[in-house]
Amino acid sequence: DAKTTQPNSMESNEEEPVHLPCNHSTISGTDYIHWYRQLPSQGPEYVIHGLTSNVNNRMASLAIAEDRKSSTLILHRATLRDAAVYYCILPHTGANSKLTFGKGITLSVRP
Amino acid sequence: NAGVTQTPKFQVLKTGQSMTLQCAQDMNHEYMSWYRQDPGMGLRLIHYSVGAGITDQGEVPNGYNVSRSTTEDFPLRLLSAAPSQTSVYFCASAEGGTDTQYFGPGTRLTVL
Repeated sequence: DAKTTQPNSMESNEEEPVHLPCNHSTISGTDYIHWYRQLPSQGPEYVIHGLTSNVNNRMASLAIAEDRKSSTLILHRATLRDAAVYYCILPHTGANSKLTFGKGITLSVRP
Repeated sequence: NAGVTQTPKFQVLKTGQSMTLQCAQDMNHEYMSWYRQDPGMGLRLIHYSVGAGITDQGEVPNGYNVSRSTTEDFPLRLLSAAPSQTSVYFCASAEGGTDTQYFGPGTRLTVL
């Protein structure tokens, strides 16, 4: 998997937007950008993924830089339940790619 | 669908004991995998399978065995438990041809 770089932690206030950054300067042209999150004492769960265009789903939005060397996961209105570790992952191209998890970003949400 | 299920939720072993961690999925996914997560760390891949009868090693396979006799089940065996295997173990599955993985709730294993 291509290497990603994320800050160790971020803090947010409840009901405010949160922008979680990820740098992936060595990304290849066919690498998808995946985000997972892990709530306390739970297994990771898929959040969103994209290739070039920005993506939206019910959980979050993914903004991808034009050169694809960075991306930002956007939570539009943080809730206390969004406090988790967020992982930015670039699975190597191919079916059933193995995921390489770094330490992720620990997001704290203040009430 | 129950998704990915794991049993047991918690387990304490003594050094040298053996046990099997169970993982099952009811989504007919071809791909299944086992990860371990040590405190404050990300997940590391132990073993994976791309279909029944096919398994392969991940990043940290030593001390663990797997088999895949059915699509649904992917048990992880510890033949002789060591304290270094104290960790939380997660099983995951994915539909063939996709990178989106679905994780189970985990098994917290302590080896004394």
